[in-house]
Amino acid sequence: EAGVTQFPSHSVIEKGQTVTLRCDPISGHDNLYWYRRVMGKEIKFLLHFVKESKQDESGMPNNRFLAERTGGTYSTLKVQPAELEDSGVYFCASSQDLPWGGAQETQYFGPGTRLLVL
Amino acid sequence: KNQVEQSPQSLIILEGKNCTLQCNYTVSPFSNLRWYKQDTGRGPVSLTIMTFSENTKSNGRYTATLDADTKQSSLHITASQLSDSASYICVVSARGQNFVFGPGTRLSVLP
Repeated sequence: EAGVTQFPSHSVIEKGQTVTLRCDPISGHDNLYWYRRVMGKEIKFLLHFVKESKQDESGMPNNRFLAERTGGTYSTLKVQPAELEDSGVYFCASSQDLPWGGAQETQYFGPGTRLLVL
Repeated sequence: KNQVEQSPQSLIILEGKNCTLQCNYTVSPFSNLRWYKQDTGRGPVSLTIMTFSENTKSNGRYTATLDADTKQSSLHITASQLSDSASYICVVSARGQNFVFGPGTRLSVLP
């Protein structure tokens, strides 16, 4: 079974440009999460999709970030325009069940996309 | 404020030795606590998940404990191997909310 995949693995862009990150979850996983780790900090939650719907987007830093999951399969995270502080590693994870309510579902993480904004 | 703290920040041990990593949290209302292992350049991999009613869970040489009263958890690694060198991250979720990550403990196992 294929794991969570992310594309690209690395991206170097200039401030003001646009970058789109893609995540392909494990097939059949309704839950898809985006996280990011900026330099020297802990991983932080960005948002959570259940199928194609945004369950929780409380972690999105500002309106320069737009996440979509059309059709409930893969997801994209667009940063437009990118700023220096957006540099970091963006992780995607997927799971079959919701993270609470007693279900001990495992989240499977992708390898991350390393974004550097110059 | 929901927060997860981990100690030590980094740890160096010799191959074959045991070690214990600590996690303290203030996340409320508590739903579950997870330990992840993250190798350099890779995504985190789940080791254990514990809910409020569980106070210990094992996964091979990894044993996690949870004291929900004191809001503390530990991850014990037995008979360490070189491949255990990684960051170990404690993650806590509050009921109805998403995840709060700790800063991680960087473990180095030397031959």
